[in-house]
Parts: sequence; C-alpha cells; structure tokens
Amino acid sequence: DQQVKQNSPSLSVQEGRISILNCDYTNSMFDYFLWYKKYPAEGPTFLISISSIKDKNEDGRFTVFLNKSAKHLSLHIVPSQPGDSAVYFCAASVQRDDKIIFGKGTRLHILP
Amino acid sequence: DTAVSQTPKYLVTQMGNDKSIKCEQNLGHDTMYWYKQDSKKFLKIMFSYNNKELIINETVPNRFSPKSPDKAHLNLHINSLELGDSAVYFCASSSRDRGLHGYTFGSGTRLTVV
Repeated sequence: DQQVKQNSPSLSVQEGRISILNCDYTNSMFDYFLWYKKYPAEGPTFLISISSIKDKNEDGRFTVFLNKSAKHLSLHIVPSQPGDSAVYFCAASVQRDDKIIFGKGTRLHILP
Repeated sequence: DTAVSQTPKYLVTQMGNDKSIKCEQNLGHDTMYWYKQDSKKFLKIMFSYNNKELIINETVPNRFSPKSPDKAHLNLHINSLELGDSAVYFCASSSRDRGLHGYTFGSGTRLTVV
C-alpha cells in the first residue's frame, strides 16, 4: 500500500529549462512533506520541505508546491543544471509519528 | 568527519550466515533509523531508536535485531541470511527537534546474499 506515489520513474529535461517532479499521497494525516536527492552510491540528502500549513516553499532554484485538496505536491527546479541529474524522492510524515514515508523516486536526467 | 557513517559499504555473504552492519553519527542527534531499499527501489523504514530506546519496529522478521549501545550508534544484526535480504540498507539520524530538515542519511550498505 503506497502512501506516497511518484508515478514517473524518469524524466529528461534540457539544461536551463524547468524540471517539474510530481508526487501524490493518500494519507490525509500527513502534515509534513520533504524532497530528497540521491546520487549513485550515496545516501539521500535533504533538499527542501514544506509544512501542511503552507502551499509553497522556495529555496533558491527549488520550489515545492503543495495542493492539499488534491493530495499532490510538486518540486520545481529552475533553471535545471547538469548537477541536478539524480534520483529525487518525495517523502511525507505525520510529525508526531516521527517516521518518514518515501516514494519510489524519479530519476531526473538533465540533457546538455 | 562524515556525519553518518556506515560500515561496511559492501557485504557479500552466503545464505544462512549471520552478519552485522554498523552505524555511527557525530551530529549529536537523539534518534537513529534503519531503512531498507529493495530491488523495487522503495525506501522502507525498519527501526528507529530514540536515546537507545526502540521507538519503531515495522513488521521486520525477528532475524533482524537492532542494537543501540549509545545514542550515537545503531547497529543492525541479521541472523540466518536469506536471498530476499539482498538490498541496500541505509542508516539515518535526526533530532526530535528537527524542524523542517528531516533525516541525515549514511551512504548505505549494499548487502548481497548468494
């Protein structure tokens, strides 16, 4: 039973353009959402997060949007750079449970 | 001065053996976790410990036994290894007061059971 779903296993984007990664969730109790980035042979690293009381959080080239009614969030990267090529995991938690649930990840390829 | 370090990085072993994976964090965090990434790429939580106390145990076979000698260490011992245990195991740590920053992960241990 996947509570966090990333339906696109991979995405290719031209360098300089916008990358949009999508994520859906099923558990309405989730109140905290995160994106992690993972390079091969490394652990996931925290990228950006958003609390359920907000609908947008921005950090440099990265913006996360949350649509609670649709149980959907997205990560926008603009402009996309070669170093952004990685696997991106969407994750969610119910903060009081102190447990983060991850999606399967989307592999992003930035094309030159 | 790696924040979360796991050893070994790679582990190849035969079915039926017993093996351990070690994890140490130097971030002063009070909570540590073990996650498993299987062949389908799902990252699933196995255990979490807060100040050496077991907090989360996610329906993991009792062949898996975590041990936390202190809050900076969380080791994973696996008895009677099976082919299906082959996966990448990630250790992570966080502070209960983590705000919006989530976990810090180690680089993973790739376990291959043959």
